[in-house]
Amino acid sequence: GNSVTQMEGPVTLSEEAFLTINCTYTATGYPSLFWYVQYPGEGLQLLLKATKADDKGSNKGFEATYRKETTSFHLEKGSVQVSDSAVYFCALSASGNTPLVFGKGTRLSVIA
Amino acid sequence: GAVVSQHPSRVICKSGTSVKIECRSLDFQATTMFWYRQFPKQSLMLMATSNEGSKATYEQGVEKDKFLINHASLTLSTLTVTSAHPEDSSFYICSASGLAGVYNEQFFGPGTRLTVL
Repeated sequence: GNSVTQMEGPVTLSEEAFLTINCTYTATGYPSLFWYVQYPGEGLQLLLKATKADDKGSNKGFEATYRKETTSFHLEKGSVQVSDSAVYFCALSASGNTPLVFGKGTRLSVIA
Repeated sequence: GAVVSQHPSRVICKSGTSVKIECRSLDFQATTMFWYRQFPKQSLMLMATSNEGSKATYEQGVEKDKFLINHASLTLSTLTVTSAHPEDSSFYICSASGLAGVYNEQFFGPGTRLTVL
């Protein structure tokens, strides 16, 4: 079946450091890939997405590129801020009417 | 993006009572809604998938008689936790996808935190 594996946290970085959170997937066909962010006590917010190979999703300085050859969708940001502290989930979907498959989440803490 | 709301955002109840959580798509028709459960510091676990007008499909290990799901309209799905017990305390999140599943995207509600005393 489909699955998502992302690096385990917690990840602690200083402000303005470079961030990478690795995510790899296993899926049949051509899934869409997502990164969601969850701030403390809140629900999930879509951060970015990519629907086909070589697509790059980007939002709020975060980027991720859909790499079919390595089945990866790593999240990157060049300079993190304290406000980026949250849990980040990588996910895939075979179609809009099938449930998302989530990774276990990576907790990011950014310190000033 | 599309907006999904959940009500209530927080609920505290006594053991043995039933609690209903509503999930509404505010500006689109949701043909499919999903209910997830999240324990502290863990990922989301799918509980069930509901299609408008049909019975929900439950994941293995989820008691359908305990977690009643109704999706009677294209904008509303409800999850009722019957005879709640402390182990049912969790964060419940719904998501919805619309007609044709555009861009394979689901839209998430803000979640409902249930505490059973």
